[in-house]
Amino acid sequence: QSVLTQPPSASGTPGQRVTISCSGSSSNIGSNYVYWHQQLPGTAPKLLIYRNNQRPSGVPDRFSGSKFGTSASLAISGLRSEDEADYYCAVWDNSLSGVVFGGGTKLTVL
Amino acid sequence: QVQLQESGPGLVKPSQTLSLTCTVSGGSISSGSYYWSWIRQPAGKGLEWIGRIYTSGSTNYNPSLKSRVTISVDTSKNQFSLNLSSVTAADTAVYYCARDNEEAGLDYWGQGTLVTVSS
Repeated sequence: QSVLTQPPSASGTPGQRVTISCSGSSSNIGSNYVYWHQQLPGTAPKLLIYRNNQRPSGVPDRFSGSKFGTSASLAISGLRSEDEADYYCAVWDNSLSGVVFGGGTKLTVL
Repeated sequence: QVQLQESGPGLVKPSQTLSLTCTVSGGSISSGSYYWSWIRQPAGKGLEWIGRIYTSGSTNYNPSLKSRVTISVDTSKNQFSLNLSSVTAADTAVYYCARDNEEAGLDYWGQGTLVTVSS
C-alpha cells in the first residue's frame, strides 16, 4: 500500500479535461514539493510537473499541477489519445527520509 | 543532453546479490547539485524508490530495503551502482536509474533493465 493515494484509473474523451488526485499527509505533500511523472506504455517514466506546478521544457501547457494542504492534483485539458498512460505523483517524505510514489493512475482516452 | 543507461545481469539466483551499474553520459556525474537514484517497477505494478547517492557519497535508502541495499558512485567512470543482497522472487522488476535534481526532482531516467530472480 502506497503512502500516497491515487485513484487506480481515470478516463475521458478527446478534448475533455481530466484531473488525477494524489493524497498524502503532513510529512510528505504537506511539507514538500510534489512531482508528477508520465509513463507511456512500455517506456520509462518522464517528468511531467515539478515543484507542484512547474512544467519542464517541452511539456505542453495542457498539463498543469496544483497542491492544497496534503493533497495535489494533475489536470490535463484538451485530452488527446497520446495522453493515454500511467501517471504517478512523487514527493519526499520527511518521516521516511525518502521519496515516495503514489500507486499510479491509468488514464484511458475513450 | 544527459543520458543514463543501466547495465547488469538479467537473471539472478535467489539468495544472491543483484548488481547493476548506471552509466551517465552528456555531463559529469560530479558536477552540479544532483543525487543519483535507483527506482524499480515489478511487472504490472507501480514505482518503488530504492535509494539515492550524492556525489559526496552520502546516501538515502528506502527503509523497507535498507538492510539489503548499497548504492555507490565511481566518479572516475561517471557511473553509480546498486547492490541488492539476498534477493527473492519479489525483487524481480524493471530497475531504473535516474538523476534527482534538487530543483526538478527525477528529471532524467534510464530506459530500465529487467532483472529476474529465478533459479
